[in-house]
Amino acid sequence: QQQVKQSPQSLIVQKGGISIINCAYENTAFDYFPWYQQFPGKGPALLIAIRPDVSEKKEGRFTISFNKSAKQFSLHIMDSQPGDSATYFCAASPYSGAGSYQLTFGKGTKLSVIP
Amino acid sequence: SAVISQKPSRDICQRGTSLTIQCQVDSQVTMMFWYRQQPGQSLTLIATANQGSEATYESGFVIDKFPISRPNLTFSTLTVSNMSPEDSSIYLCSVEGTRGGTYEQYFGPGTRLTVT
Repeated sequence: QQQVKQSPQSLIVQKGGISIINCAYENTAFDYFPWYQQFPGKGPALLIAIRPDVSEKKEGRFTISFNKSAKQFSLHIMDSQPGDSATYFCAASPYSGAGSYQLTFGKGTKLSVIP
Repeated sequence: SAVISQKPSRDICQRGTSLTIQCQVDSQVTMMFWYRQQPGQSLTLIATANQGSEATYESGFVIDKFPISRPNLTFSTLTVSNMSPEDSSIYLCSVEGTRGGTYEQYFGPGTRLTVT
């Protein structure tokens, strides 16, 4: 049973456009929702994360939108650049104290930003 | 954020042998996590390593195959035992760190393992 469903599997966006990646979860115990960016041959790098006490979080060109009732969250990349071309993973975890994250990942979205 | 290093960065190993992967963190952390990422796939949690106690393994992963050590609060090792080509993956260490006053989860650069 896949607990975090991510879509689309791949995405092509023109430079300057908005990239949108969606995730849906099933486990209502999840209360930490990070997004990771991974370049080939590298480990995942934390982009931005949200907790369910807010519906939106913005850091630079990256925004997470969170809908607790629908159990959905999404990543928006504004003004997408060729350097944003990478695989993006959403993840979710319950949180019960310091150091206790156990992340369940979506299957990833390969983003290509074309000039 | 936490700075995580892993050794080796990559290795090519023969079937039936074992490889020990090291993970070093620049600060003391309560728990360390080991993940596997098979080629072109997502990440799957292997086990959680708490200093001073036995690691806790996720369904589908067993201690005999993936023994873990956690001798102190900044270091852990994962051994991939009796390897087969199906073990070819990226193995990633992960810890919690702080960013902007909140706790976030960070990953090391990974160890790319190829089993022939």
